[in-house]
Formats: sequence, structure tokens, C-alpha cells
Amino acid sequence: GAVVSQHPSWVICKSGTSVKIECRSLDFQATTMFWYRQFPKQSLMLMATSNEGSKATYEQGVEKDKFLINHASLTLSTLTVTSAHPEDSSFYICSARGAGGSDTQYFGPGTRLTVL
Amino acid sequence: AQSVTQLDSQVPVFEEAPVELRCNYSSSVSVYLFWYVQYPNQGLQLLLKYLSGSTLVKGINGFEAEFNKSQTSFHLRKPSVHISDTAEYFCAVMNDYKLSFGAGTTVTVRA
Repeated sequence: GAVVSQHPSWVICKSGTSVKIECRSLDFQATTMFWYRQFPKQSLMLMATSNEGSKATYEQGVEKDKFLINHASLTLSTLTVTSAHPEDSSFYICSARGAGGSDTQYFGPGTRLTVL
Repeated sequence: AQSVTQLDSQVPVFEEAPVELRCNYSSSVSVYLFWYVQYPNQGLQLLLKYLSGSTLVKGINGFEAEFNKSQTSFHLRKPSVHISDTAEYFCAVMNDYKLSFGAGTTVTVRA
């Protein structure tokens, strides 16, 4: 149980285009999903927290207009990188927390974004 | 605010030898502590967590960790490692359901 998937697993795009990454909780309802960014050989940095049906909360320094997050259902959250540039190339990982105040986050396998 | 310091960036170890990964945290409130493992190009997998109660926590794959409040530490140990334990290990502290991660420790197990 507690499986989180991400799609796509990797994507290459041209500079200036937008890319959408999906995060799904497959066997549980996720009231809260988190989006992280990980640079090579570095730790995960929390970008934003999304709660189903409400606006995402962004961490300091994260541009909300560039990283659009939508959490339309209890099993799906999407991250759209708008007008991507090479510096947005990174490994994006989502996690999901179940209902009932669960203290455990279940992580997706990550999406490798490369912007040319 | 909370923060996590992983004292070793890289830990080489021989197969079947013990390993200890050090983690110290700082927080102004009570925290939950976690260890995650990340295999190459994959997401994070939970190894174990401390919420309350017994300070010695046992996790998956033979790992265990000990919470030490006075030393604000949560060191991870395994008595005998396998080649398959080669991975990146992250210590994390949770506050208000948000995780803050340490910089990670790369464990390389050699035959």
C-alpha cells in the first residue's frame, strides 16, 4: 500500500515551453501533497505544499507564477513549470500524506526535467 | 525553525561490516524524526521513524536508529551491510507536517 506515482519519469523540453508533471496516490487519498526539488548530489528542498481543493502554499523564494500547482482531487496533484529555462532542470519529487493526520509522507519516484 | 545536520557526506564501507550514519537536529519544539533511503534515480523510501516512546527504533532492511534527546541526535545503524545498501541516506525532521532534510550521506558498500 501507500504507492505514489509520477508521470513522466523524465522529460526533455525546449527553453520557453511549459511542462506538466503529475503526482498520483494510487491506493490512498492524499489530503496533502508536497513538491520537492533536488539538484544533483544535493538534498531535497521543499517547494510547496498543496491541499486538495485549495491554493498551494509556496516556500520562501519559490516563484508561484513559475511553478503552478493544482491539487484538484484527493489522488492527483500537478506541477507545471511554465516558460522553462535551463536553470529549471532538476529532479522533481512529490510526496503525499494520507488523511487523518498521518505523519508519514510517501514519495513518488521523481521526474527528471532537462530544459535545453 | 528546525534544521538537520548529517555529519558525514560519504561513508565507504566493506560488505558485512557495520555502518553508522550520524544525524543531529535542532528544533525549538518537539519533532518527529525520519530516515529515508534513495536509490539512484528513484524517489525516497522510508527506513524508519521516531514519533515518541522507545528511543530505539527498528526499521526495514535491518536498520535501526536511536533518538537521543540530550544530544539532539538520531543516528542510523546497521550491524552488517550488503552491496544493495549502496545508496543515499537522508535524515529528516518533521514539524507541522513539513519535512526538512539533511544534506544526505552517500553510502558505498564494497565487496
